[in-house]
Amino acid sequence: GAVVSQHPSRVICKSGTSVKIECRSLDFQATTMFWYRQFPKQSLMLMATSNEGSKATYEQGVEKDKFLINHASLTLSTLTVTSAHPEDSSFYICSATRQGISTDTQYFGPGTRLTVL
Amino acid sequence: GQQLNQSPQSMFIQEGEDVSMNCTSSSIFNTWLWYKQDPGEGPVLLIALYKAGELTSNGRLTAQFGITRKDSFLNISASIPSDVGIYFCAGSRGFGNEKLTFGTGTRLTIIP
Repeated sequence: GAVVSQHPSRVICKSGTSVKIECRSLDFQATTMFWYRQFPKQSLMLMATSNEGSKATYEQGVEKDKFLINHASLTLSTLTVTSAHPEDSSFYICSATRQGISTDTQYFGPGTRLTVL
Repeated sequence: GQQLNQSPQSMFIQEGEDVSMNCTSSSIFNTWLWYKQDPGEGPVLLIALYKAGELTSNGRLTAQFGITRKDSFLNISASIPSDVGIYFCAGSRGFGNEKLTFGTGTRLTIIP
C-alpha cells in the first residue's frame, strides 16, 4: 500500500509555456502533499507544502506565482510551472502523507523530469 | 534552504565490504530518516528513527539516532550490487510526515 504516482514521468517544453505535473495517492487519502525539486547531482529541496482545500505554503525563495499548486482532493495535487524557462529544468518529486496517521512517514512519487528548451 | 551535512560525499567499495555514512545538523531534529534514491526515481524509505539514542535495523542496514539529536548514522553490512545508489538522510522537527530537510547525499558505487 501507500503508492504515489506522478504524471507525466518526463516532459519537454518550450521556454515560455506552462507545464502541469500531477501527483496522486493511489490507495490512500493524503492529508498533506509536499513538492520537492532536485537539480542534477544535488539533494531534494522542499518547494511547498500542500494541504487539501487550502492554499499551499511555499518555502523561502520559491515564487508562488510561478509554481502554482492546487490540492483539490485528498488524492490529487498538481504543480503548474508557469512561463517555464531553461533554469526551471529539474526533477520534480512529490510526496504524500496518509490521513489520520500522525507517526507515519512520507511516501514519495517516482518524480517528473522537466526539460525546458 | 537548509541542508544537512552528509559524509562522505561518495564511496567506492568492493562487494562484501561494510559501509558507514553519517549526517550532521546544526540544529535539533525529532525524527531522522534514511532514504535511497536510484537514478531517475523518487527516494525510498529505508529506516525511520524517532527517539534519541535509538538504534534500528532493517536487514543489512542499521541506523542510529544520535543522542544530541543533531546527527544520525547509517551502516550497511556486506554490501551487494543492488546497494548502489544515492543515500540521503532527512530530518523532521516533528514526525516523518511533516516537513523534511534532506542531507547532501552519499553516492555509493561498488567496484567489480
